[in-house]
Order: sequence, then structure tokens, then C-alpha cells
Amino acid sequence: EDKVVQSPLSLVVHEGDTVTLNCSYEVTNFRSLLWYKQEKKAPTFLFMLTSSGIEKKSGRLSSILDKKELFSILNITATQTGDSAVYLCAVEARTGGFKTIFGAGTRLFVKA
Amino acid sequence: EADIYQTPRYLVIGTGKKITLECSQTMGHDKMYWYQQDPGMELHLIHYSYGVNSTEKGDLSSESTVSRIRTEHFPLTLESARPSHTSQYLCASGRGGAGSYEQYFGPGTRLTVT
Repeated sequence: EDKVVQSPLSLVVHEGDTVTLNCSYEVTNFRSLLWYKQEKKAPTFLFMLTSSGIEKKSGRLSSILDKKELFSILNITATQTGDSAVYLCAVEARTGGFKTIFGAGTRLFVKA
Repeated sequence: EADIYQTPRYLVIGTGKKITLECSQTMGHDKMYWYQQDPGMELHLIHYSYGVNSTEKGDLSSESTVSRIRTEHFPLTLESARPSHTSQYLCASGRGGAGSYEQYFGPGTRLTVT
């Protein structure tokens, strides 16, 4: 059965800290791994990773994929209170059609 | 900014009623999705579509149905609402084609069945 597991489930840090969020997966016919940020309502897209070892970067956020070990990490440096959100990892796999499997998310709370 | 809309945003309805949750996107995306998400839990795919007249069931067993008569419109219907249907329903869309693309999410419909 395809699955995506995120850790930790929740995390509390202080402003300025650096955090690393983890995502491991087991799917057949992997196509891509995506990170989303969900604040109050709808998830918003952060990164899509398809190749191992190539870091994607956007401001203080960065992410990398290891297709051999089947995991990805999302790093946030110099955290701010506005980074408080649930971070979702999703894997797109080709099983019959194309399916997207979401992890349960990591709830990050950044204290001022 | 993504142009994907869901109505209603909130709905409280009695058991046994038929309801339709609306989802529309103006980006011309071929792919559309419905997810169910309980508070603090992961998103579960309940239906998806790759284009007009194409609909598939997702991984989560659902008593809902969908239709895709127009590219921009992907409504979700519950024939007989039950308290177990209480949840948040998120609609999303994405570009078509063989490549892998991100999904754009609507604001969600929070459904409560009493």
C-alpha cells in the first residue's frame, strides 16, 4: 500500500531557530514529491522535487530529495512567526492513473 | 494567484439531505481533485478527473459522486448526508499532460451534518 510518513508530527521552536522536517515514502512508480504549506484553509505549493540530490531553494526554505533512501527534507532557516503552519508532503505516483498521496503533515509553531 | 473557487464555504445540514458542493477554476486546468480532510489529519483523495467526461474514485471510500461536464466545473454530490460526512472538503486543480505539476487548492467547504 502506498504511504507517506512525515515526522515530527508537531514541533515548537523559537524565532530564529532552524528546523528540518522529514518525509519518507513508499510508493510504486514514483513521479514526484511535493511540499505544501497549509495555514488556515487551503494548502499552498512550496516545492516539487523529481530528481535526487538537487536542492530547491526559495528564500529561507529549501528542500532536497533522496530517491534511493525514499525521503525528502524541508529546511527552514531563521524561522519567523509567519512560518507557523502545517507542512504537508505529498507524493505523486503512477498506480493505474496518477495519484497524489498526502502525509499527515508536520504542525510547526514558531514562538516570538 | 490561483483562481479556484468553492461554494458554499460553510454548510450545516440535516441527516438525509442531498447536497452538492461546487468547485470552479478559471485556469483551464484539465486535472481536478476532491479531498476530504478532518481536523489535524491528512488529506484523503476521494475523486479526481483528468478532463471532461473523465472521473475516477480515489483511495478513500466515499458515498459521494462527481461529474465533469465542463473543464472549469467539478461538483461533488452527496445523495444522503450522514453525520460521518462531517469534514472539510478541498477541491484542487492542476495542469494536464504527462508531466508532474503542483495542485492549486480552493478555500474549502466545511460541512457539518447534524
